[in-house]
Amino acid sequence: GAGVSQSPSNKVTEKGKDVELRCDPISGHTALYWYRQSLGQGLEFLIYFQGNSAPDKSGLPSDRFSAERTGGSVSTLTIQRTQQEDSAVYLCASSGSNQPQHFGDGTRLSIL
Amino acid sequence: QKEVEQNSGPLSVPEGAIASLNCTYSDRGSQSFFWYRQYSGKSPELIMSIYSNGDKEDGRFTAQLNKASQYVSLLIRDSQPSDSATYLCAVNIANFGNEKLTFGTGTRLTIIP
Repeated sequence: GAGVSQSPSNKVTEKGKDVELRCDPISGHTALYWYRQSLGQGLEFLIYFQGNSAPDKSGLPSDRFSAERTGGSVSTLTIQRTQQEDSAVYLCASSGSNQPQHFGDGTRLSIL
Repeated sequence: QKEVEQNSGPLSVPEGAIASLNCTYSDRGSQSFFWYRQYSGKSPELIMSIYSNGDKEDGRFTAQLNKASQYVSLLIRDSQPSDSATYLCAVNIANFGNEKLTFGTGTRLTIIP
């Protein structure tokens, strides 16, 4: 498709389980970003990939969170040993060189 | 002090009137500024970007930037019920939106028919 694609759209899991969220950026976009939006809150930056450079991980809230981007395209955000406070909408965005960021539809994560 | 501040609203505006949304930011090194519209349960959609002082117009939308006052605003003319949404102000230290965005918490706008 033409836009940023995220999967799954919804994920419900039990506390303590690991989850993987996937993002497929717009074709040709070199930059990929993960944000989190908790209920009634603004968007919180998590991690940013730019080409082959080392990612900016400054927004990851704990060492339970990690992300990788394989082949400069698809990215996976992994949350280990999920906690209830991890419940949120996880949004992925991508941008081309000197272009604004465009968002996918997000993954709504619910931790029971 | 929050890095990007917006009035959370709700802001109610009659249909056909001008809606004015405001945003202030704390980092003087900020280079690029964006307005995103977010409908309930949906992802943010980019509606305006502005990089230099002054006004930028696109259809019914006008973005205004004043770097000296660290202030960016969005005007929506001839407001329509479909404009009812939360409007997010986002700021970037880099040009054109590369690097992470810092978001305000959003202003909820309701257009009253």
